[in-house]
Amino acid sequence: NAGVTQTPKFRILKIGQSMTLQCTQDMNHNYMYWYRQDPGMGLKLIYYSVGAGITDKGEVPNGYNVSRSTTEDFPLRLELAAPSQTSVYFCASSYSAGTSGNTIYFGEGSWLTVV
Amino acid sequence: DQQVKQNSPSLSVQEGRISILNCDYTNSMFDYFLWYKKYPAEGPTFLISISSIKDKNEDGRFTVFLNKSAKHLSLHIVPSQPGDSAVYFCAAFNQAGTALIFGKGTTLSVSS
Repeated sequence: NAGVTQTPKFRILKIGQSMTLQCTQDMNHNYMYWYRQDPGMGLKLIYYSVGAGITDKGEVPNGYNVSRSTTEDFPLRLELAAPSQTSVYFCASSYSAGTSGNTIYFGEGSWLTVV
Repeated sequence: DQQVKQNSPSLSVQEGRISILNCDYTNSMFDYFLWYKKYPAEGPTFLISISSIKDKNEDGRFTVFLNKSAKHLSLHIVPSQPGDSAVYFCAAFNQAGTALIFGKGTTLSVSS
């Protein structure tokens, strides 16, 4: 089972460049999420989506954009990369909202360095 | 302002002993909590969860306790094994149920 798949695994960007982190899930989950994790910190929510065509901001959305054209895919776009966006990015998905018994499943992570 | 707090950055335990990882939360409306385990260079993996209607949930060597009045969770691992060495994150679903709020994590080291 593939689960949540993210690409690329590692990337180095120059300041001002743009890129897209790809995320796809094969579990037919409605909810998808992008989190970032900085060293020594917990995961912080960037954007989330409750279904195709619907996205909403999380705690730290500045400098990012998302789209959700299909149930399976939830790409994260970085425009004008800045050193503050150096982080590990995790895509995740869940079947529904946070009711008891629900679980969020995470991808392997994408390590991004902006220099 | 952190809504989910893990105040111990690290914990060292000998193999076979009990590991106790603690977590506090500030929002009394949180009603569903999860623990995740994370190895280096991997994504977090779900470990165990607990709903606010319970005060204990067990899964093999892992038990999570919830004290709602104290707004406190703990994860017990018995017996601890070297393979349990990882970062453990406590998380709570936000009130809308749309996303998890994470603590900063506790790094557990189990020595043989």
